[in-house]
Amino acid sequence: ETGVTQTPRHLVMGMTNKKSLKCEQHLGHNAMYWYKQSAKKPLELMFVYSLEERVENNSVPSRFSPECPNSSHLFLHLHTLQPEDSALYLCASSQSGGRDYGYTFGSGTRLTVV
Amino acid sequence: AQSVTQPDIHITVSEGASLELRCNYSYGATPYLFWYVQSPGQGLQLLLKYFSGDTLVQGIKGFEAEFKRSQSSFNLRKPSVHWSDAAEYFCAANTGGFKTIFGAGTRLFVKA
Repeated sequence: ETGVTQTPRHLVMGMTNKKSLKCEQHLGHNAMYWYKQSAKKPLELMFVYSLEERVENNSVPSRFSPECPNSSHLFLHLHTLQPEDSALYLCASSQSGGRDYGYTFGSGTRLTVV
Repeated sequence: AQSVTQPDIHITVSEGASLELRCNYSYGATPYLFWYVQSPGQGLQLLLKYFSGDTLVQGIKGFEAEFKRSQSSFNLRKPSVHWSDAAEYFCAANTGGFKTIFGAGTRLFVKA
């Protein structure tokens, strides 16, 4: 399988649940990203990992917890979310910072918090 | 502050007509510039990019973009729009490092 794969595609969770989003890339890229896409808002960068080290953390609430066990996999652990966290969560990967070749995005996980 | 602005929230064009989507950036130096497209329920796909050289760059799906330093613009164009081009288009900029800043997007509607 090629490209960036995100699972699940859709997720409905209660505010007291704990769930995880998974992202996998088979492109040999060394950087991976989580973005949040809400209606009528620009994409919000949440986390960046380069060579499995976190290099960016943009003031994201602690109820979102990323994990990058290796350069091919990225997780976003969710707990005690709020309804305003409902959004499309996009994973992306790139070679280095993405300046030369841009990002490759997954199809996203549509999260609904009830 | 560094920013990318897409002035048009949505645009409607007739099938077969030409298209231009606007993008302006605000950076101290010329950033690497990108255009992405997002179809409903999908992630973003890279259309084209620019850093230096020829100011008119060609991309996939028949799109092109022109960089104008004097106007801090990087507008996306297509000579003849197809119904399948209906999607949301994002302009983005990167000055190095791991932070790419995206514009708010322009939704393109194509009418028959």
